[in-house]
Amino acid sequence: AQKITQTQPGMFVQEKEAVTLDCTYDTSDPSYGLFWYKQPSSGEMIFLIYQGSYDQQNATEGRYSLNFQKARKSANLVISASQLGDSAMYFCAMREGYSSASKIIFGSGTRLSIRP
Amino acid sequence: DTAVSQTPKYLVTQMGNDKSIKCEQNLGHDTMYWYKQDSKKFLKIMFSYNNKELIINETVPNRFSPKSPDKAHLNLHINSLELGDSAVYFCASSQGGTGVRETQYFGPGTRLLVL
Repeated sequence: AQKITQTQPGMFVQEKEAVTLDCTYDTSDPSYGLFWYKQPSSGEMIFLIYQGSYDQQNATEGRYSLNFQKARKSANLVISASQLGDSAMYFCAMREGYSSASKIIFGSGTRLSIRP
Repeated sequence: DTAVSQTPKYLVTQMGNDKSIKCEQNLGHDTMYWYKQDSKKFLKIMFSYNNKELIINETVPNRFSPKSPDKAHLNLHINSLELGDSAVYFCASSQGGTGVRETQYFGPGTRLLVL
């Protein structure tokens, strides 16, 4: 079974609009961390935002926020006021447990394209 | 200042050759990783080292051998390269611990093409 599911392979959004990228996860471990990364066409992986399973509030970083719905096991990324530079692949990822042997599992990604 | 660096950035080679990719991080992190990203952009962990000790070794052909001379460096050596090894290889590092300290920071990637 897939641990991280991103159901939107591609999305088109008008510049300055807000966009929500979906991510659902599957784990029975009560301790986990959720991450979003951005991969522009230049290829590097850029860390955007982190949410811990015990965090009471949704994480925010500038224009990025994470809509964490624990009961639904969803961790959607919201980008407010989208910009042309937001066009990229976006990956949701999860780390189960807190041991050094825990690994991060990535979703298949969503390709976001911002229209001018 | 580059946090996680990899060399080379591009690697084009013939089947059967042996090649190495080097990774260095100047973040003072304890844990380093190697990932493979295939042509469909799927990213999968290969290895992880914590303080020079191998702690994650996924189902990877034994033609791939990581080596960590110190906790700031993690190199990847690939023997007898095959066409299917063509991919982007990312090095990453993390502070280790709990919470946001688990965050992994990635190098720029090495694009390997096996002909």
